[in-house]
Amino acid sequence: DAKTTQPNSMESNEEEPVHLPCNHSTISGTDYIHWYRQLPSQGPEYVIHGLTSNVNNRMASLAIAEDRKSSTLILHRATLRDAAVYYCILRAPNQGAQKLVFGQGTRLTINP
Amino acid sequence: NAGVTQTPKFQVLKTGQSMTLQCAQDMNHNSMYWYRQDPGMGLRLIYYSASEGTTDKGEVPNGYNVSRLNKREFSLRLESAAPSQTSVYFCASSVGQGYTEAFFGQGTRLTVV
Repeated sequence: DAKTTQPNSMESNEEEPVHLPCNHSTISGTDYIHWYRQLPSQGPEYVIHGLTSNVNNRMASLAIAEDRKSSTLILHRATLRDAAVYYCILRAPNQGAQKLVFGQGTRLTINP
Repeated sequence: NAGVTQTPKFQVLKTGQSMTLQCAQDMNHNSMYWYRQDPGMGLRLIYYSASEGTTDKGEVPNGYNVSRLNKREFSLRLESAAPSQTSVYFCASSVGQGYTEAFFGQGTRLTVV
């Protein structure tokens, strides 16, 4: 299975943009890139996913490199509530959530 | 709009005791999952049920059993609890195989002494 690499931790300030990187150099051509986050003392929650094109939703944007070997989750204006562990996960098509591999993720700290 | 509901939220067991963790979802999802999360670690899959009537082992199934009682409910049983099973347990559900988004419960914090 393809692996992802994320920084262990990042820090940002409230109301500033945050760019969370993820490297996945061995991604296959059909793997989707998923992002989940886990707020303190809660279960993970889905943030966004994409295949090749950049994606936007109400929570975040996902920028995918042209060669798909890396991606960046963008929080446009961080709030204190965005402090969480962010997981970048690859999933092959037609696979269920049992194939979501939650590694260590990136612990994001937001300073007021 | 409850989503995925887990009970209990907290539990302390003595070594060798048994218990069942309950999970129910109200989203009419076909697939359900049990994960455990140890301190400072990511989630590891224990068992999953791709659809009603089926269950399969995940990464760390030893010491656990599951039952897909019906489409809504998926329980996890510890027959003889061990301290190594001290963890936070998360139940999740998704529409089905090939669908992108999984919804997670709030977790059950289990301590085995």
